[in-house]
Amino acid sequence: QVQLVESGGGLVKPGGSLRLSCAASGFTFSDYHMNWIRQAPGKGLEWVSYIATSGGSISYADSVKGRFTISRDNANNSLYLQMNSLRAEDTAVYYCARAMVRFNWFDPWGQGTLVTVSS
Amino acid sequence: DIQMTQSPSSLSASVGDRVTITCRASQRINSYLNWYQQKPGKAPKLLIFGASTLQSGVPSRFSGSGSGTDFSLTISSLQPEDFATYYCQQSYSTPITFGPGTKVDIK
Repeated sequence: QVQLVESGGGLVKPGGSLRLSCAASGFTFSDYHMNWIRQAPGKGLEWVSYIATSGGSISYADSVKGRFTISRDNANNSLYLQMNSLRAEDTAVYYCARAMVRFNWFDPWGQGTLVTVSS
Repeated sequence: DIQMTQSPSSLSASVGDRVTITCRASQRINSYLNWYQQKPGKAPKLLIFGASTLQSGVPSRFSGSGSGTDFSLTISSLQPEDFATYYCQQSYSTPITFGPGTKVDIK
């Protein structure tokens, strides 16, 4: 079945870095656009970043632009989010989610990985 | 950015009730509106896309309507498993944005 599994979350100090991964299975990963979406504790959903099927088109939310880098490895069915210069306000559960086209609905979502930025 | 609002922010209802949640966009988004259900500790689940198309596997008691700036999600007869938080999301333009959510709990 279609599955997305995130990993790489954890506790990091302000200013630190973390790399999230999302392993995809059950579908042809290279055919789909991918996104990262986050949810701060007790808060709503915030779209973070997008990458096209081949990686040729990428976009970021203003809140993470210049600090986060999205990438993908189609050969290994994996999506990544490199997060640098982390701030307390980046504390959230980070979900990867599949989309058929750039501006689209998200389905499915992974189970999420928690990133906590705290000293 | 397109701002999404939802009302109410929360509601209490009983099993069997008809429930309607509304979502409004700050500018016209045609039918580029999607609805998700999220239960505590779980990832969001797609319910409806394109304002009114039911995702495969979603019970028919869920329905969506609207176009332009005003949209609604209706649960025709609330079931115990429907108690959750519901989010709308616009997919008209970047950045993609979500509504703040509507929490549906048990009366």
